[in-house]
Amino acid sequence: DIQMTQSPSSMSASLGDRVTITCQASQDIGNNLIWFQQKPGKSPRPMIYYATNLANGVPSRFSGSRSGSDYSLTISSLESEDMADYHCLQYKQYPLTFGSGTKLEIK
Amino acid sequence: QVQLKETGPGLVQPTQTLSITCTVSGFSLTSYYMQWVRQTPGKGLEWMGFIRSGGSTEYNSEFKSRLSISRDTSKNQVFLKMNSLKTEDTGVYYCARDSNNFPLGYWGQGTLVTVSS
Repeated sequence: DIQMTQSPSSMSASLGDRVTITCQASQDIGNNLIWFQQKPGKSPRPMIYYATNLANGVPSRFSGSRSGSDYSLTISSLESEDMADYHCLQYKQYPLTFGSGTKLEIK
Repeated sequence: QVQLKETGPGLVQPTQTLSITCTVSGFSLTSYYMQWVRQTPGKGLEWMGFIRSGGSTEYNSEFKSRLSISRDTSKNQVFLKMNSLKTEDTGVYYCARDSNNFPLGYWGQGTLVTVSS
């Protein structure tokens, strides 16, 4: 199975900050990676698919990138509504595997 | 529009069988894969398995021996059954549909399952 190592596990940042969350894949996944946002009591919402593509309705301050086996989600200017948990998912092969999640808090 | 809703028992006793129904609308089960994902305090988000548009299934080996996914296309329902429940199976269970571009594009609201005597 492909392991997804996500970091950090939690972080706090100020409104307007640039925030980056990273997942490292244990083997090649191409760009087959999704970033999900999950707010308390809600289902995960896909934000980025195929590593760099913005899902429908997602604000342009969100972006995804790849460097080798490292995949990153960046929020260019943090807003209060971005407070949530973020999860990565690889879909290169089954079983689909998630990262362990990042809890993003606002300072 | 695409809608998914899980209904489950809420509380299940250890060693018993969990049954959850996912009722969908806005699309046909014969056109999309339907997936099951759970979220537990101990392991976070875990992919459990799927049923293909044609009706065949695949399971995560973590659950394979005790998990079954099926459907009734006439009722627009997908079913998850898992036996031999343990307290570690406590969590929220989600059904999800693939989008045209990637898996798990649409999610139900989830149903909380507590395994306790």
